[in-house]
Amino acid sequence: AQSVTQLDSQVPVFEEAPVELRCNYSSSVSVYLFWYVQYPNQGLQLLLKYLSGSTLVKGINGFEAEFNKSQTSFHLRKPSVHISDTAEYFCAVSEHLRAGSYQLTFGKGTKLSVIP
Amino acid sequence: KAGVTQTPRYLIKTRGQQVTLSCSPISGHRSVSWYQQTPGQGLQFLFEYFSETQRNKGNFPGRFSGRQFSNSRSEMNVSTLELGDSALYLCASSLTGLATNEKLFFGSGTQLSVL
Repeated sequence: AQSVTQLDSQVPVFEEAPVELRCNYSSSVSVYLFWYVQYPNQGLQLLLKYLSGSTLVKGINGFEAEFNKSQTSFHLRKPSVHISDTAEYFCAVSEHLRAGSYQLTFGKGTKLSVIP
Repeated sequence: KAGVTQTPRYLIKTRGQQVTLSCSPISGHRSVSWYQQTPGQGLQFLFEYFSETQRNKGNFPGRFSGRQFSNSRSEMNVSTLELGDSALYLCASSLTGLATNEKLFFGSGTQLSVL
């Protein structure tokens, strides 16, 4: 079964500093990768996704992520964070098992706290 | 366009009871998927419905069930509630569903507390 590991449960960072949120997954077959953000008392919103093509994916709000197949990683980065980026971030992996069957697995989340 | 609507926002139940949660997708979306979010386990996929048919199911016991109506609204039912069922239950809708890896639109969730 697929597993998704978000190595840091909490990441504090000062405003305007860069941040990297780490995500590793277990499967070596074709996978599709996502980052979602959850603001307090809200549902999840898609930040970005990787399906194929360029390994560097740009998303909303200045975030980007790089797919690294050899390291089975999909780390999320932002060069300069804002207070409004304070939220919980989830990495997710979709794996197509066989015709019509697929598995969507989320990591346990990383809480990003931006310090003024 | 209205977003995904989940009702009720909060629920308090006691062990052994059953509960039904509702999810109204974005107009035109035919796929609704359900997720359980807890501090310990994070987000876990429950199941997906598309055009009234269950397309996939996560690793949850049979006490968790769902259905989808012809207008794409979906309900999730949990029978014989256990303390461990306390969680935020999220639903998400999309046009063509998880199989096409398209963007999911999430509701704000139903917070279920089992006492």
